[in-house]
Amino acid sequence: GAGVSQSPSNKVTEKGKDVELRCDPISGHTALYWYRQSLGQGLEFLIYFQGNSAPDKSGLPSDRFSAERTGGSVSTLTIQRTQQEDSAVYLCASSFPLAGDYTGELFFGEGSRLTVL
Amino acid sequence: GENVEQHPSTLSVQEGDSAVIKCTYSDSASNYFPWYKQELGKGPQLIIDIRSNVGEKKDQRIAVTLNKTAKHFSLHITETQPEDSAVYFCAASIYPGQLTFGSGTQLTVLP
Repeated sequence: GAGVSQSPSNKVTEKGKDVELRCDPISGHTALYWYRQSLGQGLEFLIYFQGNSAPDKSGLPSDRFSAERTGGSVSTLTIQRTQQEDSAVYLCASSFPLAGDYTGELFFGEGSRLTVL
Repeated sequence: GENVEQHPSTLSVQEGDSAVIKCTYSDSASNYFPWYKQELGKGPQLIIDIRSNVGEKKDQRIAVTLNKTAKHFSLHITETQPEDSAVYFCAASIYPGQLTFGSGTQLTVLP
């Protein structure tokens, strides 16, 4: 499809397990973002990739969270030793490069709902 | 860093009435203010945005106003329809793409 694709859409895991969430951005979008949305809350910025530059990791809540982006396209968000407070919807977004066609608009996927028991 | 506050958290209006959602931001360097609409089970979608060199922007039934001096901006929806029911998020940005979001407003349009 033409939109941002995220998988899995739902993930239930036990406390202490590791999880991986995948994001496939829109083709041609060099910027990729991860946000976390807890129940009834706004979107919390986690990490931002722009082209080949070093990612902005300033929003990651702890060292249990990490993300990588291979080949400038697909990204994986990894949460190690999950805790119950990690339960949330993890949203990925992508956008055009910061020049040319860039309008500021983020295109979001439908999210991965993580439940930690 | 930037802090964005959004009010109200819930808003119910009768179909055909207007709805107003307000946001304040803390960093005077912010220069981009988008509004996103999130329907149930979907990711947020941009509905309108405004940049700091503009005071007001309108797109059909939706308008956004910006007061840089007071550091607040508002979303106005006129002639509301049931399909306007959703969660609306304001956001502010200093750097392109790195948005700080408000906590959201659940808008319900009653038929």
